[in-house]
Amino acid sequence: QQQVKQSPQSLIVQKGGISIINCAYENTAFDYFPWYQQFPGKGPALLIAIRPDVSEKKEGRFTISFNKSAKQFSLHIMDSQPGDSATYFCAARGPSGSRLTFGEGTQLTVNP
Amino acid sequence: DARVTQTPRHKVTEMGQEVTMRCQPILGHNTVFWYRQTMMQGLELLAYFRNRAPLDDSGMPKDRFSAEMPDATLATLKIQPSEPRDSAVYFCASGLVLGPSYEQYFGPGTRLTVT
Repeated sequence: QQQVKQSPQSLIVQKGGISIINCAYENTAFDYFPWYQQFPGKGPALLIAIRPDVSEKKEGRFTISFNKSAKQFSLHIMDSQPGDSATYFCAARGPSGSRLTFGEGTQLTVNP
Repeated sequence: DARVTQTPRHKVTEMGQEVTMRCQPILGHNTVFWYRQTMMQGLELLAYFRNRAPLDDSGMPKDRFSAEMPDATLATLKIQPSEPRDSAVYFCASGLVLGPSYEQYFGPGTRLTVT
């Protein structure tokens, strides 16, 4: 019940295209859903986050869509750029308040 | 620009040796996390501390791993004895948890190779 399932495992997109990464969770007590971006040799960095009381959050080219009833959320990267090539992790904060449960990660490659 | 720092960045050691990894959380943060990242298991939470007290270390192999916070500016993760299966990147993260809003900031990681 603590798991977060992420798909796809890898994604290849052309420059200018839309990248979509999906996550699903089971625990309805999760109350915070961040996305992290990780470049090779670096630690994950917070990209964007959403709470379950809103259905969408947009920051620049990055948008989180949240479907509470389906217990799913997704990251959309508009106008994808080669510099967006990285591994993306979705996460959900557990009912204890501070522990994050991470998805398995998606390796995104944006071709020039 | 406040950052989480970790030392060493890379460590190669032989099986059976003791390994100590250090983390300096961002000043003022009250929660410190230790994660392990491998290709097979992804990001795994090993342990975390709040105000220097351990809250959860259920993700850590107790027989060989130990985590401590000697003071608010230093967190350590120790492996004794190390085994080849411990080869991974170990991340420390810190955050200021005051209520519903908080973020975790990750350090650059320690890449451990046990031969």
